[in-house]
Amino acid sequence: GQNIDQPTEMTATEGAIVQINCTYQTSGFNGLFWYQQHAGEAPTFLSYNVLDGLEEKGRFSSFLSRSKGYSYLLLKELQMKDSASYLCAVREARTNDYKLSFGAGTTVTVRA
Amino acid sequence: DAGVIQSPRHEVTEMGQEVTLRCKPISGHDYLFWYRQTMMRGLELLIYFNNNVPIDDSGMPEDRFSAKMPNASFSTLKIQPSEPRDSAVYFCASSFRTSGFSSYNEQFFGPGTRLTVL
Repeated sequence: GQNIDQPTEMTATEGAIVQINCTYQTSGFNGLFWYQQHAGEAPTFLSYNVLDGLEEKGRFSSFLSRSKGYSYLLLKELQMKDSASYLCAVREARTNDYKLSFGAGTTVTVRA
Repeated sequence: DAGVIQSPRHEVTEMGQEVTLRCKPISGHDYLFWYRQTMMRGLELLIYFNNNVPIDDSGMPEDRFSAKMPNASFSTLKIQPSEPRDSAVYFCASSFRTSGFSSYNEQFFGPGTRLTVL
């Protein structure tokens, strides 16, 4: 099974940078995902890491350290529309297993 | 593509009634997932299918819940009888399998069904 921890809430100012940490414990590892979920809407895919290192995609970057069971999502040049919940999800390393276990989510509030 | 389609978007029912939630995955996707989201428990996987076959239903809370996928373009999640603690947002998601170590098989979520059981 999975044990995924991420902070409950974070607040930042428009234009600033915020880093959302995620730690996980798993019997096997086959990828870590970050999803964004605006209030009242469905989660949408942001990023995927399976190898150690940084993946950059525009204003968003995601980092993974498999040995430490640690990932972070970095949001740069924050905009008001970035106010949302950010979900960390881990996929276990089982053959033909495509299911994800989600963390509780981090609610990010961007203030003007 | 229209994305994952779910119906109804909102459902209000009374305790003891049967509830049926519907999902149409993205055409060509061979995996379908049913999730439940609440403030207390977050996003939980209930069951998932591959090529219309249930693969893992370990997340289904109890016998009151059942799910079917009669064909590649349709799935249902049924609760009978419903209870107030079943109130939640139920999401359906789909993905397709790609080969390769770095393939990530992103899951696409539908808009969800907000269920309220009185």
